[in-house]
Amino acid sequence: EAQVTQNPRYLITVTGKKLTVTCSQNMNHEYMSWYRQDPGLGLRQIYYSMNVEVTDKGDVPEGYKVSRKEKRNFPLILESPSPNQTSLYFCASRYRVRNTEAFFGQGTRLTVV
Amino acid sequence: DAKTTQPPSMDCAEGRAANLPCNHSTISGNEYVYWYRQIHSQGPQYIIHGLKNNETNEMASLIITEDRKSSTLILPHATLRDTAVYYCIVRVASGNTGKLIFGQGTTLQVKP
Repeated sequence: EAQVTQNPRYLITVTGKKLTVTCSQNMNHEYMSWYRQDPGLGLRQIYYSMNVEVTDKGDVPEGYKVSRKEKRNFPLILESPSPNQTSLYFCASRYRVRNTEAFFGQGTRLTVV
Repeated sequence: DAKTTQPPSMDCAEGRAANLPCNHSTISGNEYVYWYRQIHSQGPQYIIHGLKNNETNEMASLIITEDRKSSTLILPHATLRDTAVYYCIVRVASGNTGKLIFGQGTTLQVKP
C-alpha cells in the first residue's frame, strides 16, 4: 500500500530535549516536505526537499532541521524544542514537485512543556 | 500563487450532492485548481485538480467557470464520512517550491 508513515504519532517532551520525528514513504517520490498546523494559522511549510541531499527552507524553518540522505526518508529534527513548537506536524511526498497529488502522513501531535 | 476564498462552513444532507464553491478571481492562466480535504486532524487527502476543463474522478467532480475565476467541487452523494474541511488551492504546475498554500477551507458537515 502506498503510504507516508510518520513516527511517533503523539509525543510530549520537555523544553530543550532534542527530538526527531521520522517520515518515510514507499512510493519512490522525489519531493518531500514538512508542514505544521496550528489553530487559526492553517498549514505552513517548514522545509522541503526536491531530491536526495537537496533541502530548502519553507515559510517557518526556525528551530527545525531536516536531512535527506535517502530518497524514502525525510526526518524532522528539533535540536532544542520550545513550547512554541507545540503543534500538529505533517510530512508529505509527491512523485515530483510538478506533480499534483501530494500524499500526507497521519500526523504527529507534539507537545513541548 | 493566487488567493482563494471559500465559505467557512456548509451543511449537507446525507445522500444529497454537496456543492462547495471557491473563488479565485486572481488566478493566472498557468495556475491549476486543486482540492484537498482533511478529516478531523488526519493528514490532508488529495481529491481532484483541473486547469480549464471540468474534471471527474471516483471521488468528486470539479466544475471550473469559463473565465476560471471560480470553481465548484461536487460530491455527488455525500456520506457521513465526507464530513471534513475542504481546501481549494491554486498554484502553478512548475517552477516553484512545490508549497501548497492551505487557506482556512470550508468545513462541510454531512448530516443524517
